[in-house]
Amino acid sequence: DGGITQSPKYLFRKEGQNVTLSCEQNLNHDAMYWYRQDPGQGLRLIYYSQIVNDFQKGDIAEGYSVSREKKESFPLTVTSAQKNPTAFYLCASRDYRGQDGYTFGSGTRLTVV
Amino acid sequence: DQQVKQNSPSLSVQEGRISILNCDYTNSMFDYFLWYKKYPAEGPTFLISISSIKDKNEDGRFTVFLNKSAKHLSLHIVPSQPGDSAVYFCAARGSNYKLTFGKGTLLTVNP
Repeated sequence: DGGITQSPKYLFRKEGQNVTLSCEQNLNHDAMYWYRQDPGQGLRLIYYSQIVNDFQKGDIAEGYSVSREKKESFPLTVTSAQKNPTAFYLCASRDYRGQDGYTFGSGTRLTVV
Repeated sequence: DQQVKQNSPSLSVQEGRISILNCDYTNSMFDYFLWYKKYPAEGPTFLISISSIKDKNEDGRFTVFLNKSAKHLSLHIVPSQPGDSAVYFCAARGSNYKLTFGKGTLLTVNP
């Protein structure tokens, strides 16, 4: 079955540590996205990538970094510079037509203590 | 500046009745609109969409209406079922196929 896999489902980190969230897709989609969900805030775009080795900042990129070395993978690193890293993180991908919008992963809940 | 607004954080309806979820947008360049359904601790799943050149799209119990002049769209669910209880996000597609999401509306369908 094709889909997007985010791992782990739950992640705990100490304040000041960098942490990398995994996102892998086998849908052969070109574009991939990272969103953050906070209570009452909806989904906010962090970074996106339309092709391998290229990515752009979204609306709330500060304190985050990404890479896109392979079509299937789009890892997100939450750095110590991110002031409020505790959130639910969602990865998504899109085929070239985009008619059905995005396909989302099941998310990673990051808690920084 | 919020480009996609869902002004009702929550909505409660009785099973069998109609649920109407509303969404307003400000950017006239949006060309495609989508509704997603989300359960807690899960990713959103695509529900229904509509192109900006249409005013209605129907899929089973779900119908989306678009009023371009008012920059308003709505999702109708008829009849509502308890399994429809979830958060519903409105999304609009802009340049580079980027989706901008509203803050969501929590729908509760009571048996």
